[in-house]
Amino acid sequence: DSGVTQTPKHLITATGQRVTLRCSPRSGDLSVYWYQQSLDQGLQFLIQYYNGEERAKGNILERFSAQQFPDLHSELNLSSLELGDSALYFCASSLDYRVTGELFFGEGSRLTVL
Amino acid sequence: QKEVEQDPGPLSVPEGAIVSLNCTYSNSAFQYFMWYRQYSRKGPELLMYTYSSGNKEDGRFTAQVDKSSKYISLFIRDSQPSDSATYLCAMTPMDSNYQLIWGAGTKLIIKP
Repeated sequence: DSGVTQTPKHLITATGQRVTLRCSPRSGDLSVYWYQQSLDQGLQFLIQYYNGEERAKGNILERFSAQQFPDLHSELNLSSLELGDSALYFCASSLDYRVTGELFFGEGSRLTVL
Repeated sequence: QKEVEQDPGPLSVPEGAIVSLNCTYSNSAFQYFMWYRQYSRKGPELLMYTYSSGNKEDGRFTAQVDKSSKYISLFIRDSQPSDSATYLCAMTPMDSNYQLIWGAGTKLIIKP
């Protein structure tokens, strides 16, 4: 158990809808990362938050947004969903903002868009 | 061309064999190299971590970095069915403003 909790584990929704994925980082970790993993794209970095502030942004679509709350949990909001958004979404956490340390991953949220 | 190339496999070997997993990269600024293991329906977990060139050994696992060839390897000795997983390489420059760049992952199957 990595200590990172993600909910929901599975989500099935329709095109055009909006969903929210939630992540609770490991106790003491200040950084939260969101990744998208699909069969043909591998693990794609979306966004990083550090202690409530956006730290880095990757290949995150404008339809997606995220935030990190004062209690350090994070939410990833996906809107106007398309079929191609179907993927595994992982949250990871680390102690500080540097990626040269170990990232601890949750078990992921599997999103299916029909 | 991707910054990090990794053969997706699957790679199927008999139990007890020595396994070699590899990644090539194009950015000579990469300094930190990691191998993560991902079991089916689970998140990746850090397996090995190396900085710059050289070898690092941890039990049955050896990570090797050849910066002159821009090539990293993970060797698994005496492979076990429990080693069956997807192995992802990841790397980053020393600059803390850079994120990890990930390989696509190689699916490894160890046959009993």
